[in-house]
Parts: sequence; structure tokens; C-alpha cells
Amino acid sequence: NAGVMQNPRHLVRRRGQEARLRCSPMKGHSHVYWYRQLPEEGLKFMVYLQKENIIDESGMPKERFSAEFPKEGPSILRIQQVVRGDSAAYFCASSPGRAEAFFGQGTRLTVV
Amino acid sequence: GENVEQHPSTLSVQEGDSAVIKCTYSDSASNYFPWYKQELGKRPQLIIDIRSNVGEKKDQRIAVTLNKTAKHFSLHITETQPEDSAVYFCAASGYSTLTFGKGTMLLVSP
Repeated sequence: NAGVMQNPRHLVRRRGQEARLRCSPMKGHSHVYWYRQLPEEGLKFMVYLQKENIIDESGMPKERFSAEFPKEGPSILRIQQVVRGDSAAYFCASSPGRAEAFFGQGTRLTVV
Repeated sequence: GENVEQHPSTLSVQEGDSAVIKCTYSDSASNYFPWYKQELGKRPQLIIDIRSNVGEKKDQRIAVTLNKTAKHFSLHITETQPEDSAVYFCAASGYSTLTFGKGTMLLVSP
């Protein structure tokens, strides 16, 4: 059973471009969480999704950010018109339900 | 929503000493409390967890205690080793979101 897979591992975008981060949960896991981590800081919750549903997006900025978890395929975190302040590590975690969550390796986004 | 406070933010110990990290949570409906260890540049990894129907859980050198009445839980590491140096995060979860504390950087000196 492969772990949580995130790609790309590193992503460089120029200001104003779009960033798409992908997360494939562990087999059998239908719950996905996205977290943002700034250098030397904690894990800040962004969004919690189940298949085809956004359960909690209270941590997501109102503009430019969106997330989806379609019936087929990976979960996608999309950041439009990126700015320097979006530079961070974005971690996805998956869970089979109200139980332990396992993290992917993260995507390190750099906006230049 | 849930709010998790974690202390201390930094903890330095000598090899062989014990380390204790404490967390409090606000939502009495939370019933699952995991701890994660994150080494520099790596993903957070689950090291131990506890559910609200249990007061204490132990796994070799690490243990977690939970006081539901006071809404706090703690991580205890005994006989610390240099490889225990990392950032440790506590978290609390009820029916949905897993909310994390801000993390504790543990430094174990040889």
C-alpha cells in the first residue's frame, strides 16, 4: 500500500501564474486534509474534503485558493495568481475516517 | 472551532533526560489526540495517539496521557536520544478537522 503521494515535490512559479498541487490519498482513504507550513512554523489547516465534497474550508483564503477531491483521481489544491506570500510547504494528509491521518511528502512552492 | 495550545515552543534537554510536552484543547467534543514528529525538511509522522476513552497509552520510550476533564494531554519521552531531536506537534479531532498545536522544537544534546 503506497503512502500518500504528493506531486510535484517542488514547484516554482512566477508571480501571477497558477499553481496546481496534487495529492493521491492512501488506498482506502476517502478523507483528505490540506495544510500549509511556513518556514519554522506550524501546520495551518486549510481545507478538509471527502470524495466530491468540501467538508470544512474554514482555513482557506477566500480568494485565489480552491480545492477539490473528485470521484476519480487525486485531490487538487489550486492557487491562482500566486504571490510571494504563497511560498510555503503544502502538505496533504489522508485518513480512512475519524482516525489517524498520514501525511504526504509535501509540495514546496516557491514564488519568484 | 477547535483551538489547540501547545507548550513549550522550544525544549532543550540532555541525552538521557525526560521530555514533556503539553497541549490543551477547547472543544469538549474532541475525542482523538495524535502526536506527530517532524524532522527538518520531512513530512510529519504519526508517533502515538490516544482516544478519549483511554487515560494513558505507552509505546516503548514514549507515552501520552489525557485528562478529559481539564482538556489537556501530554507527550512524555523518556531516556531521550539525539535522534529524538525534531519538532513535535499535538493535534485534536472531533467529528471532522484535525487541528494542530504550533509545535515544540525538541533539542537533545549528547
